[in-house]
Amino acid sequence: GQQVMQIPQYQHVQEGEDFTTYCNSSTTLSNIQWYKQRPGGHPVFLIQLVKSGEVKKQKRLTFQFGEAKKNSSLHITATQTTDVGTYFCAGPGGTASKLTFGTGTRLQVTL
Amino acid sequence: GAVVSQHPSRVICKSGTSVKIECRSLDFQATTMFWYRQFPKQSLMLMATSNEGSKATYEQGVEKDKFLINHASLTLSTLTVTSAHPEDSSFYICSARTSSGLSNQPQHFGDGTRLSIL
Repeated sequence: GQQVMQIPQYQHVQEGEDFTTYCNSSTTLSNIQWYKQRPGGHPVFLIQLVKSGEVKKQKRLTFQFGEAKKNSSLHITATQTTDVGTYFCAGPGGTASKLTFGTGTRLQVTL
Repeated sequence: GAVVSQHPSRVICKSGTSVKIECRSLDFQATTMFWYRQFPKQSLMLMATSNEGSKATYEQGVEKDKFLINHASLTLSTLTVTSAHPEDSSFYICSARTSSGLSNQPQHFGDGTRLSIL
């Protein structure tokens, strides 16, 4: 079945450092979504990418969709303690309605 | 907009008890809702897709008779964990889409239910 892997599993950075998480799908995706889950919370939708090679920015966050539409990345510039949480990518999971979530990258930011 | 309410937020009960979890879309209609299970520090595992007015679609390995899903209206889906045992302890989260249910629409999640079976 479809697999969506993310690396790294965990990263600990000092506040102000940059952070990147990479998402790789075993199949080509029509779109990719990113979610953030704070500790003890629920996933919150961040963004969706649809086009091959697409790049979108949200303040300090930059999202990229690969040319082959099988991978994606999320880069955070100058991390802050509010960025702490687990970041998941998610892609269509074989049927028209469901999503397959990636394995997630847990980010810890310390002062 | 797009608020999903999930209740209860936490349940602690004895082994053998059945537990019902409700998922409501407060300000939109959801023909499709999803039920996930999440173990500590792990990803979301889709258990089933809940379809309004029809039977739920369960993922491989998920017991239909163990996890009963009812989606009786466009704003409410329920998950009942029947005869719960300690191995059923987990974080259960529901989600819903605002539109036709296609995967190119974002999912909006409830706050989750932390289930602990003693």
